[in-house]
Amino acid sequence: KQEVTQIPAALSVPEGENLVLNCSFTDSAIYNLQWFRQDPGKGLTSLLLIQSSQREQTSGRLNASLDKSSGRSTLYIAASQPGDSATYLCAVLNSGGYQKVTFGTGTKLQVIP
Amino acid sequence: GAVVSQHPSWVICKSGTSVKIECRSLDFQATTMFWYRQFPKQSLMLMATSNEGSKATYEQGVEKDKFLINHASLTLSTLTVTSAHPEDSSFYICSASRSGVNSPLHFGNGTRLTVT
Repeated sequence: KQEVTQIPAALSVPEGENLVLNCSFTDSAIYNLQWFRQDPGKGLTSLLLIQSSQREQTSGRLNASLDKSSGRSTLYIAASQPGDSATYLCAVLNSGGYQKVTFGTGTKLQVIP
Repeated sequence: GAVVSQHPSWVICKSGTSVKIECRSLDFQATTMFWYRQFPKQSLMLMATSNEGSKATYEQGVEKDKFLINHASLTLSTLTVTSAHPEDSSFYICSASRSGVNSPLHFGNGTRLTVT
């Protein structure tokens, strides 16, 4: 059974700081890994999708890496802004012909102005 | 970009009544849609996978007679919470993707259900 863990559970940083969020998964047999952002009481916004054959993806100030063999992914946020405050979730799509996604426990980020 | 619309965004109902939640893919055909439930301060738990034109696949522990799922077209899936009880109060979110495992998931904005 796939288990996805995110560390830290919560993070508070001053504006402008660079930061890294961590995601680890127990079963390396995945199709892809996706990072999401969730604002309070809202749905999820997709940030980055990394295919299992890729090492990293970049979008603006965000960079996500994937090390499938070690079961790890990181989300790097450069020059953090108060608007980045949200809960960040990683999710892995498990291989096996069934499009089942397992979500991580989430990291709640607060960027202090 | 792809957009998934979920309606209503919040609903309050009395115990014993049924509530229907709609999930629509607005600019693509979704052969598969997913329904999740999220308890406060917890991550998303998959409830069921909805496949167009066939029966939904429910996760272990999810009552299929209580959470009725219908995926009648390639752009619409509905989740009906039947005979709702206070313990069904939760945040329900749907997601959809185009066919193929390399397609990203797109999520609706969720429905906050409160059963009084």
